[in-house]
Amino acid sequence: QVQLVQSGAEVKKPGASVKVSCRTSGYTFTTYGITWVRQAPGQGPEWMGWISAYNGDTNYAQNFQGRVTMTTDTSTSTAYMELGSLRSDDTAVYYCALLPYCTSVTCYYFDYWGQGTLVTVSS
Amino acid sequence: EIVMTQSPATLSVSPGERATLSCRASQSISSKLIWYQQKPGQAPRLLIYGASTRATGIPARFSGSGSGTEFTLTISSLQSEDFAVYYCQQYYDWPFTFGPGTKVDIK
Repeated sequence: QVQLVQSGAEVKKPGASVKVSCRTSGYTFTTYGITWVRQAPGQGPEWMGWISAYNGDTNYAQNFQGRVTMTTDTSTSTAYMELGSLRSDDTAVYYCALLPYCTSVTCYYFDYWGQGTLVTVSS
Repeated sequence: EIVMTQSPATLSVSPGERATLSCRASQSISSKLIWYQQKPGQAPRLLIYGASTRATGIPARFSGSGSGTEFTLTISSLQSEDFAVYYCQQYYDWPFTFGPGTKVDIK
């Protein structure tokens, strides 16, 4: 069965960086892309970006351009999301997920989520 | 970036009644529209993709319609487990974007 297991909660100071990992299993990692979504307390989900586990191509939301870096390690089937220059309003639960997307050839309709990683930014 | 809007922000409905939720895209997204349901403390759950196709295991009381810029999620007869927040999301073009959500609560 498909599983995405994320790293544990983090507390960071403003201006610092955080790197969240997402270890996957139950499917061929390089076949599909990983999406990162965050959700601040009491707010709706915010799409952060997507990375192809096949070739590392990325698409980032404008809100995070220049601050976020998504990477993968195919040897361990793990995806990473690093967010820099943290602010208090970056406090949120960060999810990795296999979610729907389309390529030029086909569309995939997944619905697999990691358990979420709470990142708290506080001085 | 495609902006998604949803209305109403809150919908108060009695159990057994019909609920109709709206989602609008700032430009045409064809039928590349997803509906999610989210309950407190849980990740969103995929209900509908392709604007009108129910995901695996989703009850038939959930239906989606629309194309282009206007979309609707209908819950034909609300059950107690359906009281939640519903989000639409477009996957027509990067970056994919979510709407702000509609909370369906008990009247």
